[in-house]
Amino acid sequence: EDKVVQSPLSLVVHEGDTVTLNCSYEVTNFRSLLWYKQEKKAPTFLFMLTSSGIEKKSGRLSSILDKKELFSILNITATQTGDSAVYLCAGLIQGAQKLVFGQGTRLTINP
Amino acid sequence: GAGVSQSPSNKVTEKGKDVELRCDPISGHTALYWYRQSLGQGLEFLIYFQGNSAPDKSGLPSDRFSAERTGGSVSTLTIQRTQQEDSAVYLCASSLGTSGRWGEQFFGPGTRLTVL
Repeated sequence: EDKVVQSPLSLVVHEGDTVTLNCSYEVTNFRSLLWYKQEKKAPTFLFMLTSSGIEKKSGRLSSILDKKELFSILNITATQTGDSAVYLCAGLIQGAQKLVFGQGTRLTINP
Repeated sequence: GAGVSQSPSNKVTEKGKDVELRCDPISGHTALYWYRQSLGQGLEFLIYFQGNSAPDKSGLPSDRFSAERTGGSVSTLTIQRTQQEDSAVYLCASSLGTSGRWGEQFFGPGTRLTVL
């Protein structure tokens, strides 16, 4: 059975801290790993990673995929209160073109 | 441009009633997905439509759930004889459905369904 596991499930830090969110996956016919940010209801797309070892960056956020260890991390530097959200990781199944989501990491940034 | 829209935003119903949830994808997006998110959980895939192909219904939890997509655009998810365990946020997403862009799914705001 396809599975995506995120850790930690919950994280509380102070503004300015750097955080690392973890995602491991066991997905047959794996194509890509995606990260989404969910603040209220609608998840918003952050990154799609297909190749191993290539870091993707957007401002203070960055992510990398390790296809040998079946693992991805999402880093957020100099965190701000607006980064508070649930961060979802998902594996994209090739052919079926559907996403298998992890349970999410709830990140809280305190001022 | 307009994003994915869903209606209603909230729906409260009694156990045993049927409900219909609607999704309007982004114009030009050929792929449409339905997901369910129970409290504190990740998203659970329900069904996927791509163009005129037969939908992938592998995620529908029971035969009380069905979905259709008319004219390759608007989709409705129907839940018959609702049960309390159907209470969740139902999210719709669409994507361009082209090679390399499958994963960039754009989500609607969801419909929060509460079955009493």
